[in-house]
Amino acid sequence: NAGVTQTPKFQVLKTGQSMTLQCAQDMNHNSMYWYRQDPGMGLRLIYYSASEGTTDKGEVPNGYNVSRLNKREFSLRLESAAPSQTSVYFCASRTQGRVSYEQYFGPGTRLTVT
Amino acid sequence: RKEVEQDPGPFNVPEGATVAFNCTYSNSASQSFFWYRQDCRKEPKLLMSVYSSGNEDGRFTAQLNRASQYISLLIRDSKLSDSATYLCVVIPPDSGTYKYIFGTGTRLKVLA
Repeated sequence: NAGVTQTPKFQVLKTGQSMTLQCAQDMNHNSMYWYRQDPGMGLRLIYYSASEGTTDKGEVPNGYNVSRLNKREFSLRLESAAPSQTSVYFCASRTQGRVSYEQYFGPGTRLTVT
Repeated sequence: RKEVEQDPGPFNVPEGATVAFNCTYSNSASQSFFWYRQDCRKEPKLLMSVYSSGNEDGRFTAQLNRASQYISLLIRDSKLSDSATYLCVVIPPDSGTYKYIFGTGTRLKVLA
């Protein structure tokens, strides 16, 4: 049981390049999330998917797109990378219970845009 | 006022000490609260959920104070391995339980 996996672990892009960050979970969770973490700012929600087939914007969606490919996979795409998108990106998924909303995170992708 | 606020620290404590962190939240109707631990350059990992009645797991105790709108984390008998950043997380009431607000974290250093 791998939990939440993310690829790649590290990436360097030039301004204007595009890339897709991949995320998969094997815990049969309905909900999945993409966050970015910057020094001194905490984790900020980019997009989330409450269930397969749905996606919604979070706090900082500009410059990103997402695809919920199936129940397991949720990808994040940067169409035209900018230096302001240099960050650590975490994917997460959430348990199903009505009283328990615990999130579990992948190991992160460290992205540098030059 | 920020939605979730934490003292960034660092809290430097000797091994074996007891240390407590607080986290304040702005929306009094928030229902779900968590503490996560994050090691340097790693992903956040769930430490414990915080229930209305409090929650204890070994050396760790979490409490909720609704009247003053804060949650707390108490660590007893601190170990070197407890050195990490502790993140407070709140689900605000208008999010449909899907949006999580993270504090910026409190850094703990346990000294030998």
